Amino acid sequence: ETGVTQSPTHLIKTRGQQVTLRCSSQSGHNTVSWYQQALGQGPQFIFQYYREEENGRGNFPPRFSGLQFPNYSSELNVNALELDDSALYLCASSLRVTRTSGVTDTQYFGPGTRLTVL
Amino acid sequence: KNQVEQSPQSLIILEGKNCTLQCNYTVSPFSNLRWYKQDTGRGPVSLTIMTFSENTKSNGRYTATLDADTKQSSLHITASQLSDSASYICGGGYQKVTFGTGTKLQVIP
Repeated sequence: ETGVTQSPTHLIKTRGQQVTLRCSSQSGHNTVSWYQQALGQGPQFIFQYYREEENGRGNFPPRFSGLQFPNYSSELNVNALELDDSALYLCASSLRVTRTSGVTDTQYFGPGTRLTVL
Repeated sequence: KNQVEQSPQSLIILEGKNCTLQCNYTVSPFSNLRWYKQDTGRGPVSLTIMTFSENTKSNGRYTATLDADTKQSSLHITASQLSDSASYICGGGYQKVTFGTGTKLQVIP
């Protein structure tokens, strides 16, 4: 158990609808990253939030948006859903650690939300 | 374009045997190389994370190596167990992580 929770577990929507996915980060972590994982693929980076500000974005259109709250929990919003948006959506919380060997940020993943778009 | 390629795509081994999974990466800027274990339909679980200045990191029966010159990493699993059956994904980068498509490992009795 990583301490990262996501809701809902599963969701079914139809094309054109909007969806909001939620993530609670591990205690003490101030950074949340969101990933999309299609079946048989590796996770693809959507964006990251650090202390309530967007801190990097992958190749996803603007209809993918997010928020991070003062308690560091986060939301992923997807508007105008398309069939290709069907995937497992993962959030990962992290904390930057500086070691003598360099800076790392182990990302702890939640269980994911399985979104199906019909 | 950042890329991470993993091999083999799938692997079947007998319980108790060792195996090695490969990861080649082209990620810029590169600072961290990560290995995760992912059970079907579940979130990935971190195994190791290395900076570019580290060349080996162990976590129990899992040992990851990194060659920053050739941009290659490997994950060695010792004395495999049935519970090791999962996908193993490799990712490069700091903050914005690029992941490979994974190696699906099946350990059979």
